[in-house]
Amino acid sequence: KNEVEQSPQNLTAQEGEFITINCSYSVGISALHWLQQHPGGGIVSLFMLSSGKKKHGRLIATINIQEKHSSLHITASHPRDSAVYICAARNDMRFGAGTRLTVKP
Amino acid sequence: EAGVTQSPTHLIKTRGQQATLRCSPISGHTSVYWYQQALGLGLQFLLWYDEGEERNRGNFPPRFSGRQFPNYSSELNVNALELEDSALYLCASSFGGGRNTGELFFGEGSRLTVL
Repeated sequence: KNEVEQSPQNLTAQEGEFITINCSYSVGISALHWLQQHPGGGIVSLFMLSSGKKKHGRLIATINIQEKHSSLHITASHPRDSAVYICAARNDMRFGAGTRLTVKP
Repeated sequence: EAGVTQSPTHLIKTRGQQATLRCSPISGHTSVYWYQQALGLGLQFLLWYDEGEERNRGNFPPRFSGRQFPNYSSELNVNALELEDSALYLCASSFGGGRNTGELFFGEGSRLTVL
């Protein structure tokens, strides 16, 4: 069993929809990363959080340490948000399998 | 300011050969991380270097090795290449030691194809 589980695996949304991607982990962590991988492989680190909530533009990430769960939300989704979103638990960087998001115009 | 740079962008080798991939971290970063993303598989942690020392290693065989130079750039070497080593190899850097905020900055990756 993967120590970091993401859901859903694939997500298709219409432009403007509110998106939620979930990440659950079973390992003890000091922090959790949310990464965005574009076609071609380039990766951007979106957030690193160890508690509470962080917001950057239309992106919001939350984490509940007690429940070992984190969510990534995208408000007012746009086709340019189409990418694979990966959560990664710090400490040896255990990665989720990724969520492939497609936002249609 | 330059980001994390990796070279080569693409590399084609045959089975049994050796591959060397290079990574230059962001100026001021002392930690370099290597990851493998094989086709159909998720990202997997390979190696972590900080201040010239190997700090942690993922679950990979010894033919995956690397080093970090005094200028904090790093090399990943893969010996005795196997077909399943074909993957995108990503490098990331961060501040190290007491300055480590945990934030990672990724390079664009080196795509290795083993024929």
